[in-house]
Amino acid sequence: NFILTQPHSVSASPGKTVTISCTRSSGDIAGSFVQWYQQRPGSTPTTVIFEDDQRPSGVPDRFSGSLDSSSNSASLTISGLQTEDEAHYYCQSYNSLSWVFGGGTKLTVL
Amino acid sequence: EVQLVESGGGLVQPGGSVSLSCEASGFIFSDYWMSWVRQAPGKGLEWVAYIDQRGFDLYYTDSVKGRFTISRDNVRNTVHLEMKSLRADDTAVYYCTRDTGPKRVTAGGAGYWGQGTLVSVAS
Repeated sequence: NFILTQPHSVSASPGKTVTISCTRSSGDIAGSFVQWYQQRPGSTPTTVIFEDDQRPSGVPDRFSGSLDSSSNSASLTISGLQTEDEAHYYCQSYNSLSWVFGGGTKLTVL
Repeated sequence: EVQLVESGGGLVQPGGSVSLSCEASGFIFSDYWMSWVRQAPGKGLEWVAYIDQRGFDLYYTDSVKGRFTISRDNVRNTVHLEMKSLRADDTAVYYCTRDTGPKRVTAGGAGYWGQGTLVSVAS
C-alpha cells in the first residue's frame, strides 16, 4: 500500500493564496483519483475537491485541485483566503482494496 | 438533497458489540458504493470499510477484519456496520459516506458525509 504525506500545518493571511501538498509514496499519483476534504473545528468533514480537480456544487471556485507528476503529488490551492477557510484539510486516494488518507494539514488564516 | 443519517453509537464495554446504521435519501442508493470512515478523538480520518452497489464486494481495513461487518439493504436504503470484539482503540466518531459518483467499478472517495455517530469503548 502507499502513503499520502501532507504538511502538518500551513498558514497565510486573509486574501492570500495557499497551497497544500499531498505526496504519494509509491505508484503514480495520476493512477487513482484524489479527493480533498475540509473539516472545520467541531464539524463534520465535507468534500471540497473530488476526482483530482472537480468541485462539488456549492464549493467556491477559490478552491482548486491539481496533480504534479514530477513530484508525484496532488495539491489543493485556496485563493482569496477567508477566515472561514481555517480548518483541517485531508487528501485521500485509493487502490483496488482500500482508501488511503493523508494525515491532514491544519490551515491557519492569520 | 443528499442526506446520510447515522444512528446506533454509544458507550460499549471492551469486548462488546454495537451496530451502526446509516439511512440514505436524496439519491439512487443502489447506484453507489457506501463506506464507513472513523475519526478517533483528536486524530485524523481513517477508512474502515466499504461495500459495492449490490452488497457483494466488501472491503475492510486490516485492524477491523474479522470483527466488523458491513452490509446494506437496497430496499430500505440503509447501510450497516456491525462491530464486535470492540477495543479501546475503536473509540471514534464513525461517519457514513456516499461515493463520489454512480456506478463506479471501485470505491473512489467520499462525495457526501453523514453527521457521524460516536462509539466509545470503555469500562
